[in-house]
Amino acid sequence: SAVISQKPSRDICQRGTSLTIQCQVDSQVTMMFWYRQQPGQSLTLIATANQGSEATYESGFVIDKFPISRPNLTFSTLTVSNMSPEDSSIYLCSVEDKSGYEQFFGPGTRLTVL
Amino acid sequence: GNSVTQMEGPVTLSEEAFLTINCTYTATGYPSLFWYVQYPGEGLQLLLKATKADDKGSNKGFEATYRKETTSFHLEKGSVQVSDSAVYFCALDSNYQLIWGAGTKLIIKP
Repeated sequence: SAVISQKPSRDICQRGTSLTIQCQVDSQVTMMFWYRQQPGQSLTLIATANQGSEATYESGFVIDKFPISRPNLTFSTLTVSNMSPEDSSIYLCSVEDKSGYEQFFGPGTRLTVL
Repeated sequence: GNSVTQMEGPVTLSEEAFLTINCTYTATGYPSLFWYVQYPGEGLQLLLKATKADDKGSNKGFEATYRKETTSFHLEKGSVQVSDSAVYFCALDSNYQLIWGAGTKLIIKP
């Protein structure tokens, strides 16, 4: 299994500002995933981040709004740019285990945009 | 495309009741199937999984059987506890990405 930490755990931000969320894993992993979970909703995949290459974004998500860095095999960041109240969500990072059958999740970052 | 449909919540039961949360899927091929659980204030945790037809995943008294003929992966528990109150998500693996159901909130009353 993998142990994943995220910072910050929660934040309250003003409209128009940006927030960078950090995700740290206790082991080296190839693929990291960023999800959004809006209040009362299921998870929506934002992008897949592989070390050494550009992140792959899902439909409806763009790099200008959600830039991702993946500088090494244990760390990634997601920035939520030019925030609006609609960006209020829980943001989760996850990693895939070596078998490819299971994902482990971080505790999430609860973002509120005023 | 691939999709997962699970029963809407909230589901409210008394302690020691029998639980079923329905999950059906649409997929090409034979995906792996998962149940994840999100306890209040905590992150998502894998509850159980099944990787091929007729497999039964089990953990913490919960069970789910991969039924190819009915494309289902229903979650069951014989006697629920207050501590089982959480949101349960059914998911399938599609090309190493998870496709999620909407989640079912389970409330267990003492």
